[in-house]
Amino acid sequence: AQSVTQLGSHVSVSEGALVLLRCNYSSSVPPYLFWYVQYPNQGLQLLLKYTSAATLVKGINGFEAEFKKSETSFHLTKPSAHMSDAAEYFCAVRGGNQFYFGTGTSLTVIP
Amino acid sequence: EAQVTQNPRYLITVTGKKLTVTCSQNMNHEYMSWYRQDPGLGLRQIYYSMNVEVTDKGDVPEGYKVSRKEKRNFPLILESPSPNQTSLYFCASSLNPGTAYEQYFGPGTRLTVT
Repeated sequence: AQSVTQLGSHVSVSEGALVLLRCNYSSSVPPYLFWYVQYPNQGLQLLLKYTSAATLVKGINGFEAEFKKSETSFHLTKPSAHMSDAAEYFCAVRGGNQFYFGTGTSLTVIP
Repeated sequence: EAQVTQNPRYLITVTGKKLTVTCSQNMNHEYMSWYRQDPGLGLRQIYYSMNVEVTDKGDVPEGYKVSRKEKRNFPLILESPSPNQTSLYFCASSLNPGTAYEQYFGPGTRLTVT
């Protein structure tokens, strides 16, 4: 069965600092992986997705993620945090006809 | 505008009173799904539908029903709500889960069962 693990339910960074949100997946087949962002009182919005075309995936708002098969990881990064990046972030994997989400990481950006 | 809509956005009800949360998408997506979001648990899939008249259980289907009579609509039915179904619910749709297509999410329905 597929699953994702997000390490760190809360991450705080200073404005302008590197953002690193961790996601490890478990999948018996080459996975399709996704990162979503959820702003307060809103639905989830796609940040980026891995579809096996390239291991380094660029998304919206300056975010990117690198697929590392050997580490079964798909960590999300952004070189310089902005106040507007404060939100909840979810990693997800498609398994068969279902999608499996991690428990989420709440990002706080300190001015 | 391409979107997934849910109604109502907020609902407070009492134990045992049947309710329906509607979901509609205007993107001609085959795949639709319902999730519940609970603190510390992330999103868990309740039911999904591959196409009209095709539905299947997700990871937490107990206490819920769905139907897919039209491609655009996928209502979530709670026949006898209980307090443990208090949660934030999201409807989502996708072109086809057999590929890398991502899901598009509705704005959420916050349900409180007293």
